[in-house]
Amino acid sequence: SYELTQPPSVSVSPGQTARITCSGDALPKKYAYWYQQKSGQAPVLVIYEDSKRPSGIPERFSGSSSGTMATLTISGAQVEDEADYYCYSTDSSGNHGVFGTGTKVTVL
Amino acid sequence: QLQLQESGPGLVKPSETLSLTCTVSGGSISSSSYYWGWIRQPPGKGLEWIGSIYYSGSTYYNPSLKSRVTISVDTSKNQFSLKLSSVTAADTAVYYCAREAPSTVNYWYFDLWGRGTLVTVSS
Repeated sequence: SYELTQPPSVSVSPGQTARITCSGDALPKKYAYWYQQKSGQAPVLVIYEDSKRPSGIPERFSGSSSGTMATLTISGAQVEDEADYYCYSTDSSGNHGVFGTGTKVTVL
Repeated sequence: QLQLQESGPGLVKPSETLSLTCTVSGGSISSSSYYWGWIRQPPGKGLEWIGSIYYSGSTYYNPSLKSRVTISVDTSKNQFSLKLSSVTAADTAVYYCAREAPSTVNYWYFDLWGRGTLVTVSS
């Protein structure tokens, strides 16, 4: 089955830049979406269609995609950005959703 | 505003069938603009898409769960449901229901989520 691979963890100091990657064979032809999940809460969309930011999401969140890798960047990370982040996309058929393995972001 | 709420048993015995219902309030499940889906998350682990359904009954399932999963919709009650058969301890998870919205042609994402419900598989 199709998989999206992320690093298990990323650590940054407040104000620095955190980059989270998501690797998948179908990403050259499929959009990536990014969700933020804080402890005990449902996920919240922070990036859609590789690089678009929903209303209400801070400008420090940005996304990009090149080849088989999508990247979520948090520029000037804040303590409140500590969370698990998941990429989401579909397989090549477009009929089956897939979440990435997840990345725990620590800001300290 | 539209809200989703999961309901069902919090404890299921091994080999039995897990059954959950998602009630949609503040809007109609029969809207032609959305799919409705189920996602689960084992304790301390990542998210897994289970499957999605359109109000007409058209379904898509995770290939790894397809043989055990049935998702159905009841438009008269504004609900959709999940059945997962032959459960084991590996099916212990928080189960979320969510609305799937189009972001562009042929692309969908989960924009509204329920709070999730923990289902434990144990004898």
